[in-house]
Amino acid sequence: TQLLEQSPQFLSIQEGENLTVYCNSSSVFSSLQWYRQEPGEGPVLLVTVVTGGEVKKLKRLTFQFGDARKDSSLHITAAQPGDTGLYLCAGGAGNNRKLIWGLGTSLAVNP
Amino acid sequence: NAGVTQTPKFQVLKTGQSMTLQCAQDMNHNSMYWYRQDPGMGLRLIYYSASEGTTDKGEVPNGYNVSRLNKREFSLRLESAAPSQTSVYFCASSEVKLPSGNQPQHFGDGTRLSIL
Repeated sequence: TQLLEQSPQFLSIQEGENLTVYCNSSSVFSSLQWYRQEPGEGPVLLVTVVTGGEVKKLKRLTFQFGDARKDSSLHITAAQPGDTGLYLCAGGAGNNRKLIWGLGTSLAVNP
Repeated sequence: NAGVTQTPKFQVLKTGQSMTLQCAQDMNHNSMYWYRQDPGMGLRLIYYSASEGTTDKGEVPNGYNVSRLNKREFSLRLESAAPSQTSVYFCASSEVKLPSGNQPQHFGDGTRLSIL
């Protein structure tokens, strides 16, 4: 069974701090997606990484896919209250239309 | 562009009642999904439809049925609701483009269902 473990589970920081959240597995994934979910809404895709070692930047967010395609990280620079939310990673395995979901990291950025 | 629309947004049922959750997408996507999201359990796949005319069980299908009415619509039915089915239900859609594999899923805003 493929599993994705996210850490930390909860994170509360002050505005302006940097943070990194992790998504780890013992399985290889063909792609890794990161989503952000705000209260009362569905998850919204932030980025998809598909190549081992790939780094993608989205403004203050930096996403990295591990060389072996088993893990990924999300780094936020100078966090802002608008970054508050649940960050979910989801792994894809080839042509299977289903995704394997992590349990998420709940981030609170305090003004 | 509405994306994925779910109705209703909130619902309270009594044990044993039945109801259907509706989902429609306007992105011409082939694949559609139903998830439930519970604290500490994450998103769990109930059923999915890879394309119009096909449906398959996901991780937690017991107590649910689905209908892929057409390419746009995918409904989830609870025949005899139980308190264990209290949850937030999300519908999602995606466009599978082979051979790259998994494509991003687009979610609705959910149906919050309470069963007393």
